[in-house]
Amino acid sequence: DGGITQSPKYLFRKEGQNVTLSCEQNLNHDAMYWYRQDPGQGLRLIYYSQIVNDFQKGDIAEGYSVSREKKESFPLTVTSAQKNPTAFYLCASSIGQGAQPQHFGDGTRLSIL
Amino acid sequence: GENVEQHPSTLSVQEGDSAVIKCTYSDSASNYFPWYKQELGKGPQLIIDIRSNVGEKKDQRIAVTLNKTAKHFSLHITETQPEDSAVYFCAASSGTYKYIFGTGTRLKVLA
Repeated sequence: DGGITQSPKYLFRKEGQNVTLSCEQNLNHDAMYWYRQDPGQGLRLIYYSQIVNDFQKGDIAEGYSVSREKKESFPLTVTSAQKNPTAFYLCASSIGQGAQPQHFGDGTRLSIL
Repeated sequence: GENVEQHPSTLSVQEGDSAVIKCTYSDSASNYFPWYKQELGKGPQLIIDIRSNVGEKKDQRIAVTLNKTAKHFSLHITETQPEDSAVYFCAASSGTYKYIFGTGTRLKVLA
């Protein structure tokens, strides 16, 4: 079955530590996205990538970094500069340019130790 | 800035009744409006979408209506069942890579 796989499901970060969230898709989609979900808020865009080796900042990119070395992979690193990282992180993909459905993974819940 | 307002934030209905969730968008260039269902601990799943050249779309018990003049769109669920209980999100996109999401509606279907 085609889909998006996020790992791990739960992740704990210590002070001063960088952590990386994995996102893999086998849908052959060009575009991939990272969102942050906080209680009572809509999904907020962190980064998106339209094509391999290219990515753009979203609305809340500070304290995060990404890479897109392969079409199927779009890992997100939460750096120590992100002072409030506790949230549910969602990865999504779509066929291409906007006005297309986004397919989501099942998320990674990140907490601070 | 661009935003999508979603109401209500919580909604309880009796099993078999209808549920309606409404969203209003600000960007007049928006032309694609998906609805997602999110169950606890899962990612959002697309349940229905509509494009700006269509006023209404139906898929079994689920329908979406769009009023471009008023810039609002609604999700209608008929004959609700307990398995419809979840958080529902609306979104609006203008054809770029940006999707603006509403803040979600927690729907509870009471048996």
